[in-house]
This record gives sequence, C-alpha cells and structure tokens, in this order.
Amino acid sequence: NAGVTQTPKFRILKIGQSMTLQCAQDMNHNYMYWYRQDPGMGLKLIYYSVGAGITDKGEVPNGYNVSRSTTEDFPLRLELAAPSQTSVYFCASSYSRLADSNQPQHFGDGTRLSIL
Amino acid sequence: AQTVTQSQPEMSVQEAETVTLSCTYDTSESDYYLFWYKQPPSRQMILVIRQEAYKQQNATENRFSVNFQKAAKSFSLKISDSQLGDAAMYFCAYSLLGIQGAQKLVFGQGTRLTINP
Repeated sequence: NAGVTQTPKFRILKIGQSMTLQCAQDMNHNYMYWYRQDPGMGLKLIYYSVGAGITDKGEVPNGYNVSRSTTEDFPLRLELAAPSQTSVYFCASSYSRLADSNQPQHFGDGTRLSIL
Repeated sequence: AQTVTQSQPEMSVQEAETVTLSCTYDTSESDYYLFWYKQPPSRQMILVIRQEAYKQQNATENRFSVNFQKAAKSFSLKISDSQLGDAAMYFCAYSLLGIQGAQKLVFGQGTRLTINP
C-alpha cells in the first residue's frame, strides 16, 4: 500500500515548455486534489476531482489543466510553463467527504518544479 | 474573502515546555472543519489535529490540543511537553465545501516552530 505517489520528485522546465505532473493513489479514494506551495507560504488549491470524469476549479486554476479518467490517477498538466509556476506541487486524496468519516486528506511527498 | 491568518511567522520553545500557536480565520459558512498540519523539513504534510465547527468541545490528540472560539473565529494549537521532533512548519487550515461534498482546504501562511534543547 503505497498511499499517494507523485512523480517526478523534481523537475526543471524552460519557459513555454509543457509537462504533466503525475499523481496516483492505491487507496480507492474518490476525492483527489492538487495544491501548490510557493516559498514561505501555505498551500493553495489548484483543482480537485470527486470521481472519474468530474473535476472542478480551486483557488488558483489558471495555467493548469486536469483530467480524471480512472479512480487511481489524477494528472496535472502545465501547457505553457511560466516562472510564476515555480512551486512545490502536492497531490492529496480522501475516501469520502470528511463529514462522513474520520478520514483526512492523505498527501503525497510533493513535486518541486522550477521554471527558468 | 475566505482567509486564514497565522500572525506568528516564527516561534521557539524550550524542550518540555508548552507553546501555543495562533490562528484566526474568516468564513461565511456555518458548517466547516478546522485543521492543524505539520510540515517537517521532509516536506510531508502530516495532520496533527482536526476540529468540527459544530462541536463545542475542544479536540485533543495526546500532547496536542486546540482552543476553538467559534464566535471569535479563533483556532489556536497548544503543544504540551514539546519534543525535538515537534520542530516543523505548522499550518492552520479550514475546509470550504466543494462540489459533491468535497472539502477544499484553505491554508494559512504557517508558523515555523523551533524547539531548543
């Protein structure tokens, strides 16, 4: 049981390049989330999903795209990388609404992305 | 705007002493959850404690407890008998309700806690 797995752990991109950050969970969780953490700041929600085919915007969605074709995977796509997207990206998942259980959001170890 | 404010960028405490981290929040929702997360240098996000807003009783988890003042929108974390392993960034967060019951977390800027031996 690996929990939430994010790949890669570290990546450097040039301005204008594109890439996909991968997130996979093996806990059969319905809910998955993408956050970014800028230096010295708290996490901000980019996008989230409540199940396969259903996604919604968070606080800072501009410049990103997501899709959810399976329960296990929730990739985050950067189409035209910009220096402002330099950040650490965290993926998280949870089984159900927190109101229905004591399950918290489980976080991955993060991907450090630098755009130069 | 929905915000979380942690007014102490840094705190330090002697090992075995007690320390309190402050957090205030602003939300228009009546039903929500509050959290404290710990982020050590390894960058992991570790849930420390959570509080349901509809419960008046303050949550406790071993050496960690909260002082939840709903009317004042205050949610402080008390760490008793501080240990070296408690050194980390601590983030206060609350949940906004998303589609189909999803819980969207809103985080504060964090408080860096140092434990002095």
